[in-house]
Amino acid sequence: EVQLVESGGDVVQPGGSLRLSCATSGFNFDDYAMHWVRQAPGKGLEWVGLVTWDAGTAFYADSLGGRFTISRDNSKNSLYLQLDGLRPEDTALYYCAKVAKSGSYYTTYYFDSWGQGTLVTVSS
Amino acid sequence: EIVLTQSPGTLSLSPGERATLSCRASESVTSDFIAWYQQKPGQTPRLLIYGASTRATGIPDRFSGSGSGTDFTLTISRLQPEDLAVYYCQQYGDAPPNIFGGGTKIEIK
Repeated sequence: EVQLVESGGDVVQPGGSLRLSCATSGFNFDDYAMHWVRQAPGKGLEWVGLVTWDAGTAFYADSLGGRFTISRDNSKNSLYLQLDGLRPEDTALYYCAKVAKSGSYYTTYYFDSWGQGTLVTVSS
Repeated sequence: EIVLTQSPGTLSLSPGERATLSCRASESVTSDFIAWYQQKPGQTPRLLIYGASTRATGIPDRFSGSGSGTDFTLTISRLQPEDLAVYYCQQYGDAPPNIFGGGTKIEIK
């Protein structure tokens, strides 16, 4: 069974930093691209970014202004999201998501598994 | 960058009725790479449909997807109380970003 478990969410002041983690199991992690998606309270889903299966490349939503960094450690079956320069509008539940098919062609495919999310609150 | 517009914002229907949800893209979607997700209150999104019309594993056949090009539809043929949720369409495929529509909320009368 595929499992994705996010952690690291917290309350942080504006301008602060946070590192989120997504621990995975139940599939060959190093074969799949992985994504982050966020959801502000009461709002819709917003794609944050992705990292390729080999950690060679990451892509981000333009709206983030280069403040976030996605990485992965295939030896630990884990995905990470470094959040810097946090703003109140970054307050959201952050989900990690697995693409449905393995391989580089499917880097931006649809998602067949999601974690439960970890809550980031940016407030003074 | 493609923009996905979902309508209506909210749909209020009775059990047994048909729900028709629209997802319109600002430009043609490559290979009909549209997915639909269901998010029930307090839960994680769940994949319903991919490739515009293929049901994901375990999804009841009352859920169906259709469309091509720029216009896509999710239909729930016989609404059940447990279908109370927000439904999102997503464009995926050849390049990032993986865009989501704004969602349609289904309310059960």
